[in-house]
Amino acid sequence: DPKIIQKPKYLVAVTGSEKILICEQYLGHNAMYWYRQSAKKPLEFMFSYSYQKLMDNQTASSRFQPQSSKKNHLDLQITALKPDDSATYFCASSQDRGTDQDTQYFGPGTRLLVL
Amino acid sequence: GDSVTQTEGLVTLTKGLPVMLNCTYQTTYSPFLFWYVQHLNEAPKLLLKSSTDNKRTEHQGFYATLHKSSSSFHLQKSSVQLSDSALYFCALKNYNQGKLIFGQGTKLSIKP
Repeated sequence: DPKIIQKPKYLVAVTGSEKILICEQYLGHNAMYWYRQSAKKPLEFMFSYSYQKLMDNQTASSRFQPQSSKKNHLDLQITALKPDDSATYFCASSQDRGTDQDTQYFGPGTRLLVL
Repeated sequence: GDSVTQTEGLVTLTKGLPVMLNCTYQTTYSPFLFWYVQHLNEAPKLLLKSSTDNKRTEHQGFYATLHKSSSSFHLQKSSVQLSDSALYFCALKNYNQGKLIFGQGTKLSIKP
C-alpha cells in the first residue's frame, strides 16, 4: 500500500484558475514538505511543516499556500495559475524535521500543466 | 548560501563498467548529505545518506564517502546494470533545517 498519497496524479488547469493539490502520509511522520520539479529547476524546496506548523517557506509568491487540516495532511493551494507553474509537485515527509532522523520520503507527485 | 554542485549532466556507460557521479557542496553548517535516485516518471527515492566524515556508506551496490575536507560526497558503483539507468540527485541538509537542497541531477544511461 502506498504510504504517501498525492491526488490527483495529473492536473490540467487554465491560466488564472485555482487548484488544490492533496497530500496524505501514513508513515506516522511529524514533518511534511512540498517540492517542485520542472525542466528549469530539477528539485526545488517550497515549504516545510512540523506538527502542522509552517517552519520553512522558500516560495516567494503568495499564490502558493500550504494547508494542514490534520497532522498527516499537507495540501497545496495554488491561485492565479500561470503557465510557468507547470511542473511536478512532490509531497514528502520525515519523522522529525531538523534531527538526525530527518530522512525525507517522497510521494508519487502531481503533474500540473497550466494552459 | 548553501549549494550543491553536480558537474555531469549526462553519463553514458556500458553495462558492467564502474561509475562515479560527482557531488560537491557548500555550507557553513554541519551537513547531512543524501543521494536520491529517480526513475522515469517516479518519485525520488533515497539511495544513501551520511553525516559522518570519512565513513563509507553503502546500499544496493552503491557507495559514497562524505569528505568534509573537500566538501564532497561522490556516488560510486563498481559494476553498473541496465536497471541503474535513472536520474541521480545529490542533496544537502543542514542540521535543524527542514529543506533539502538538491543539485541539478545527473542522468545515468546504461547501454547493453
